This record gives sequence, C-alpha cells and structure tokens, in this order.
Amino acid sequence: GIQVEQSPPDLILQEGANSTLRCNFSDSVNNLQWFHQNPWGQLINLFYIPSGTKQNGRLSATTVATERYSLLYISSSQTTDSGVYFCAVLRSTSYGKLTFGQGTILTVHP
Amino acid sequence: NAGVTQTPKFRVLKTGQSMTLLCAQDMNHEYMYWYRQDPGMGLRLIHYSVGEGTTAKGEVPDGYNVSRLKKQNFLLGLESAAPSQTSVYFCASSYERGGHSYEQYFGPGTRLTVT
Repeated sequence: GIQVEQSPPDLILQEGANSTLRCNFSDSVNNLQWFHQNPWGQLINLFYIPSGTKQNGRLSATTVATERYSLLYISSSQTTDSGVYFCAVLRSTSYGKLTFGQGTILTVHP
Repeated sequence: NAGVTQTPKFRVLKTGQSMTLLCAQDMNHEYMYWYRQDPGMGLRLIHYSVGEGTTAKGEVPDGYNVSRLKKQNFLLGLESAAPSQTSVYFCASSYERGGHSYEQYFGPGTRLTVT
C-alpha cells in the first residue's frame, strides 16, 4: 500500500516562530488532507489540497503531486497551535480510504 | 448543521461484552468510514461504506462488524470486546461525484476502554 511519511516527528517552538511540516508519499494520489488534532483529541480539517497552494490565515499549504510531497506552513505560531498535525492521502482507486502519516507533534511555548 | 456526530463519547467494557457505536451525518454524504486511533499513531481504517446498504472491509476489520441501513447512519459493532480494541474510534464521511471521493469530515471520536 501507499506509504506516508511526515517530518519532523516532533517540533518545539517559541510563540511567534514560523515552521514548515513536510509530508512525503510513495505513490500518486487523488486527494490530500491536512488535519490538526488538538489536545482534546478533536480532528480539525485544515486543508483539502490535492495540488497547488492554499492559504487560511496564518496557515498555508502546498502540494506538488508530481514530486509526491506536501508542505504545511505555520507562521507566527501561537500556543493554541499545539497538538498533532496529520497528513492523509487518498489513492485514486481506493474509494475514499485515507492513509494517514504518523503525525508531527507540535508544542508551542509562550 | 451538526456535521458528523458520534455516540457515545466514552465507554468502558469488560472483555467479552458487546456494544454498538453510532455515527450520524447530516451532510447527505454518500461515503462513510470508521477509523481507530491507537496511542502515538495515525488513524487506520476499520470498515467503510460507499452507500446505503453497502459495507466493505478496511485495513483492520477483524473483531468488528458494521451496518448502513440508512444513508445518514453508520454503525460499528463489537460482538465480543477484547483489550486490544481499547482505542479511540473516529467516524468520517465524504461526498462523492462520479465515483471520486472528496474531502472527509470527522466526528469528535469515541474513547473505548476494554478491561
């Protein structure tokens, strides 16, 4: 099956810092989503981004499908950004079955 | 819109007991999914459904059964719970067009402990 690798596994920042999270995948995909799992366990949709670039406030994402990677940018980080960030991909033949990466654990200190 | 809701939020079972988790969505989505999340890991697909009356196995289906009698509901059953099924269970749904699945939306999760 498709492999999804996220890096770094852990990231510790001071409030106000910027960061880049990476997601590599081993095969062509139709869909790609970024999620934030907050400390209460809730999965929040950040981006649905099979290709191209999108921005939402301090967050932006870029997917280069031909090179099989996606990047999530967090600018001016806040303590509320803490949690786990997951990348998940969907292959074109998989009827919507998302394959998740292991996640990046982000801790933002005040 | 409530989106995707799950019942119950928490449950403790003894080994061998049975239970059913209920997922409901009000977005008229065709596809629905059940995932489990174990500590320090991403989500893994248990079962999924591409429409009312249909179900299929995912990555880790053993020990679970599902039913989709109504389009808006997707039930996950544990017939004889085992400690290995201690996990957080997430339901999700997505719309489809031409057989292609789009963005998935997740429920708040059910934390299950089997002792």
